[in-house]
Amino acid sequence: KNQVEQSPQSLIILEGKNCTLQCNYTVSPFSNLRWYKQDTGRGPVSLTIMTFSENTKSNGRYTATLDADTKQSSLHITASQLSDSASYICVVSDRGSTLGRLYFGRGTQLTVWP
Amino acid sequence: EADIYQTPRYLVIGTGKKITLECSQTMGHDKMYWYQQDPGMELHLIHYSYGVNSTEKGDLSSESTVSRIRTEHFPLTLESARPSHTSQYLCASSDPSSPSNTGELFFGEGSRLTVL
Repeated sequence: KNQVEQSPQSLIILEGKNCTLQCNYTVSPFSNLRWYKQDTGRGPVSLTIMTFSENTKSNGRYTATLDADTKQSSLHITASQLSDSASYICVVSDRGSTLGRLYFGRGTQLTVWP
Repeated sequence: EADIYQTPRYLVIGTGKKITLECSQTMGHDKMYWYQQDPGMELHLIHYSYGVNSTEKGDLSSESTVSRIRTEHFPLTLESARPSHTSQYLCASSDPSSPSNTGELFFGEGSRLTVL
């Protein structure tokens, strides 16, 4: 069964600290993996996309990694800010169609305290 | 910033009422989606459309219906709302014809429906 599991479910860190969020998936065949950020009461916004051949990709203070062999991805946030408080959702696409079917994780709820 | 809009943002309504959640996008995207999201749970696809006059049911069974008469407009309707319909409804669009064809979803702000 194709699944996406995220950990931890929730995380509290102090402003300025780093953190790493995990995403494990069993989706096959694999097309790509996206991390979305969802602020409270808003729609998700894409942060990064990882394809099969990519190991790491950065977007400002966000760095995503992908290990296609172990089917794991991580999102590392550096020097956290209060505005990083949000839910981070891992979404994996398969190659079953032109666009691929999407499998969503339940998200990691990150809270950054001052 | 994505140009996709949902109204209303919040709606509290009594059981048995008919409701329509509006979704419009100005990006010219052919593919549009409705997702249902409950706290702490993953997004569930309830409807999608490949283009005008195309609508399909998603993975999660829903009593709602959708229509796609214009490319930019994808409303969702509940004929008779029930408390079990209380949820957050997210509309999204994507452009499968884009050069990257990576399937990025552009989401609206969501409509939070509460049925009493």
